[in-house]
Amino acid sequence: QVQLQESGPGLVKPSETLSLTCTVSGGSISSYYWSWIRQPPGKGLEWIGYIYYSGSTNYNPSLKSRVTISVDTSKNQFSLKLSSVTAADTAVYYCARGRDTAGVWGQGTLVTVSS
Amino acid sequence: SYVLTQPPSVSVAPGQTARITCGGNNIGSKSVHWYQQKPGQAPVLVVYDDSDRPSGIPERFSGSNSGNTATLTISRVEAGDEADYYCQVWDSSSDHLVVFGGGTKLTVL
Repeated sequence: QVQLQESGPGLVKPSETLSLTCTVSGGSISSYYWSWIRQPPGKGLEWIGYIYYSGSTNYNPSLKSRVTISVDTSKNQFSLKLSSVTAADTAVYYCARGRDTAGVWGQGTLVTVSS
Repeated sequence: SYVLTQPPSVSVAPGQTARITCGGNNIGSKSVHWYQQKPGQAPVLVVYDDSDRPSGIPERFSGSNSGNTATLTISRVEAGDEADYYCQVWDSSSDHLVVFGGGTKLTVL
């Protein structure tokens, strides 16, 4: 069965760019939508955006100016870049399969924004 | 943007029925999905499209959706059901396409 694994730096400095990758195993990245969702410590879930395997994207309007999601079908991976980060971007970041429903989730990775 | 409102907490005794609500303007016209999140773990989809269950989710979990309220019902509650529960919709009428409720902490007494 399909599994997702997030990877990337756990610590990012303010004003820099957060970069994470989600590796899909046990299935193909093709023919599905793939999402990024985050959860600040002790708070609820926030949708960041999604990408179709073909490359079309849609982002949360509140983050749109800072977010880029991309896909690499040859590596069965998709990625998240969030620029100009602040402490408010500190969160557990999850990748998930799906667009209107997230049926499979990665385990999540904590990213802390601090100097 | 579309707003989903959940009660912060619900408490229930073991063996009883828990009902967690999710309020939204005319939410009955949308498909509602529910996630269970236990401490330190990723969310798990427990109900999708208002009332369907993914494979492996017990029949004790059920959902309904009408008017301005969707409800997740957990029958014969067990200690292992203690978790945070989030409702979520796909709002194709706005830019904020994926919307989550604020979450409800289910406590099993």
